[in-house]
Amino acid sequence: QVQLQESGPGLVKPSETLSLTCTVSGYSISSDYYWGWIRQPPGKGLEWIGSIYHSGSTYYNPSLKSRVTISVDTSKNQFSLKLRSVSAADTAAYYCARGNRIDYWGQGTLVTVSS
Amino acid sequence: EIVMTQSPATLSVSPGERATLSCRASQSVSSNLAWYQQKPGQAPRLLIYGASTRATGIPARFSGSGSGTEFTLTISSLQSEDFAIYYCQQYNNWPLTFGGGTKVQIK
Repeated sequence: QVQLQESGPGLVKPSETLSLTCTVSGYSISSDYYWGWIRQPPGKGLEWIGSIYHSGSTYYNPSLKSRVTISVDTSKNQFSLKLRSVSAADTAAYYCARGNRIDYWGQGTLVTVSS
Repeated sequence: EIVMTQSPATLSVSPGERATLSCRASQSVSSNLAWYQQKPGQAPRLLIYGASTRATGIPARFSGSGSGTEFTLTISSLQSEDFAIYYCQQYNNWPLTFGGGTKVQIK
C-alpha cells in the first residue's frame, strides 16, 4: 500500500526557509509518476506548489517559482520542498502527493510562520 | 494558467437528495479533470479522474461528466458521510490548478 508522510518543522520564522520532506513507502519513486506538494491555508482552498519526476524534471507554480525548490532523493525514496523568504501568508497545511491526478496524499503537516 | 471556477460555493441538500456540482475551466482541459472530497482535518481524497472514471473504492452514487471546459459531479443520493468540500482540478497543463471548492452541507 502506497503511503506518503511529511516531516519537518511546524514553526518557521518570517524571512527564513521552510523545509519539508516526504517519505514514500510501498512504491518506488523511481518507477513512475510526478511527485508534488500542495498547500492549504487555514479555512481556504488547495494550491499546487510544484512537482518533480524521478529524473529531476520539475514544474512550479508561477506565483511561487522564485522562492521554491523541489528535489528528489531516490536512494531514500524521498522528495523535499524548500520555500524561501517565508511570511505569514505561507502559513498552511502542506501535503505531499503522487501524480498529476493525485491518487495518494500524505496526511498533511501544518506549518506556521511566526516569530 | 488555466483558471478553474466551481459553483455554487455552498450547496444545501437534504440526505437522500441529489447534489449537482459544477466546474468550469477557462480553456479546454480535454477530459483531464479530477474531483476530490475533503472532510475537516483530513487530506483530500480522489473521487473521479478522467472527468468520469471513479477512483478505486468510490461508491457508484458518485458520477462525473463533461469534457472541454464544462464538468459536473453528481451525487445521486446524499449520505451523511458525503457532507464535505469538493474540489475539481485540471491536470491537462502545467501549472496544475484547483477550483475554489463547493461545500456540501446539510439542509
